[in-house]
Amino acid sequence: RKEVEQDPGPFNVPEGATVAFNCTYSNSASQSFFWYRQDCRKEPKLLMSVYSSGNEDGRFTAQLNRASQYISLLIRDSKLSDSATYLCVVIFMDTGRRALTFGSGTRLQVQP
Amino acid sequence: EAGVTQFPSHSVIEKGQTVTLRCDPISGHDNLYWYRRVMGKEIKFLLHFVKESKQDESGMPNNRFLAERTGGTYSTLKVQPAELEDSGVYFCASSQERHTGELFFGEGSRLTVL
Repeated sequence: RKEVEQDPGPFNVPEGATVAFNCTYSNSASQSFFWYRQDCRKEPKLLMSVYSSGNEDGRFTAQLNRASQYISLLIRDSKLSDSATYLCVVIFMDTGRRALTFGSGTRLQVQP
Repeated sequence: EAGVTQFPSHSVIEKGQTVTLRCDPISGHDNLYWYRRVMGKEIKFLLHFVKESKQDESGMPNNRFLAERTGGTYSTLKVQPAELEDSGVYFCASSQERHTGELFFGEGSRLTVL
């Protein structure tokens, strides 16, 4: 079983739509959570951290549910420029390792 | 300010040959990481340098991979001899803080082993 699992998509949505991605993680000792964005053939870039209380950055809202071990990303009023792959990232703390563990990504295609 | 730069952007070699990938981190970033994505799989951690020291190399797949960061500036990742399953995109990243989720990635070096 993968440590971080995501629905690969693709999610095809029209401009202006609201879209939500979920991500589940397997290790309850996880500590830190992030969403990265990766454009086609480009590098991953940090989109936002995910805090226990939930957090918002403009049209983007991230939520964390520790009891169910999942993270979500909500994008409101989708733009064409939001088309990308969204990577769920976790730092697991139990082994002392501090490396980022990536999900395989969810691809979003926003259509005009 | 220049971001993380990697060279080459794409390398095609034959099985059994050697390839060396280079990464120049953001100036002043002591932490340098190597990750890779093989076809159809998620991005996976290879190793982490703090300055010139290997902090964590638990992700290195085998002894055909050798990473160095002499002088604590740029880093190289050598694959010798390359195998077919080494094909993928090798990402380098750097950060100022050690325990952080905010890594700055380079665009990656795509390696194709024939």
